[in-house]
Parts: sequence; structure tokens; C-alpha cells
Amino acid sequence: SYELTQPLSVSVALGQTARITCGGSNIATKNVHWYQQKPGQAPVLVIYRDVNRPSGIPERFSGSNSGNTATLTISRAQAGDEADYYCQVWDSGTVFGTGTKVTVL
Amino acid sequence: QLQLQESGPGLVKPSETLSLTCSVSGDSTSNSYYYWGWIRQPPGKGLEWIGSIYYTGSTYYNPSLESRVTISVGTSKDQFSLALSFVTAADTAVYFCAKTLGYSDYTSPFDNWGQGTMVTVSS
Repeated sequence: SYELTQPLSVSVALGQTARITCGGSNIATKNVHWYQQKPGQAPVLVIYRDVNRPSGIPERFSGSNSGNTATLTISRAQAGDEADYYCQVWDSGTVFGTGTKVTVL
Repeated sequence: QLQLQESGPGLVKPSETLSLTCSVSGDSTSNSYYYWGWIRQPPGKGLEWIGSIYYTGSTYYNPSLESRVTISVGTSKDQFSLALSFVTAADTAVYFCAKTLGYSDYTSPFDNWGQGTMVTVSS
């Protein structure tokens, strides 16, 4: 089965840039989606098909996908960006990444 | 504004069947643009996709759960359901229902989620 590997945690200073990686075999050939999940809440889609932002998601969130790594970038990080982030692809079914906890210092 | 709401027992005994319903308001499960899915999250752990269904009844299941899972669309067109048989403590989780982004594509991401419901498997 296809596996997606994410770092357990990422820390970012307030106002700086956070980059969250999602590793998978030839992931560049797949559409990668990203979710934000705050404690006690349902996940929220923040990036779909590698680079697209749903309506209402700030431009500070962006995505890229190349080789074996997809990346979610959060620019000008805010306290409200503290959350768990999950990548997701389709490979004979929906597959979620292991999740990354983002802390804003 | 489409909304999803999970409902069902919060406690299920081992070896029994977990049954949940997702009520859809603001749209219909017969909308051909969407797939409807179930995702779960054990306490303190990550997300696990259970399966998805199309309004035609076509289903896609997580291979690791396929032998125990049935997802169906209700006759009322505003509900879909999950049945997970022979549950164990490992099935204890928050269960979410969700809708895919509208491209009539089962590989689309989930852009609208219910709030989730906690189900505990215990005798």
C-alpha cells in the first residue's frame, strides 16, 4: 500500500514561513491535497490538487509537488495556524499522511 | 450551505456491528457531482479513510477494512450510512462523514465534513 510520510512536528516563529513536507514514491505523479485540523474539530481542506486554494483559505497557504515530495507552505505564520496538517492522495483508495503538528512560537 | 451531521450509538460492544448515519442538509446524496465518505480518527492518532459511495451505489473501500465495511445511501436521499462489523477496541475512534469536492471524481478531496462522533468499543 502507498505510504505518505510527514515530519512529526514543525515549529515556526510568528510571522515567518513554515514548510511541511509529505514524502511518497513518485508523488509528483499524483494530486496532493492538504488538510488543517485544530483540536476537537473536523479537518478543513486548505490546498487541493497540489496548488489550489478553496474559497476562504488565505493566500498565505500554498502548495507544491515535485519528485518524491509535496510541500505545504504557510507564509507569515499566525497563532491561528497552529494545528495538525495532513496530506492526502488517491492510490487505490484515499490515503492520508501521518500528520504534522505545527507550533507557532 | 451544505451541512453534514453524524449520528449513532457512542458505545458498541466487541464483536458487534457499529452503525452510523450521516444526515445531509442543504444538498442531496443524489447529486451526481459528489462522492460521500467516511473517515475515522482514533484518539490521539491520524486520519484513516474507511470508504466512499456515489449516488448510484458504487462504493470504494479501504482494503484493510473492506471485509467488515458496508456503506449505503439512504432511500430518503438525505442520508448515507456506515456499518462496520465485528468491531474490536481498535475501532474506537471519532468517525467523520464528508463530501468530496464537486468534480464527479472519486479521487477528489473531502471539502465538507461533519463535526464527528466518538464511538467507543467496550463491553
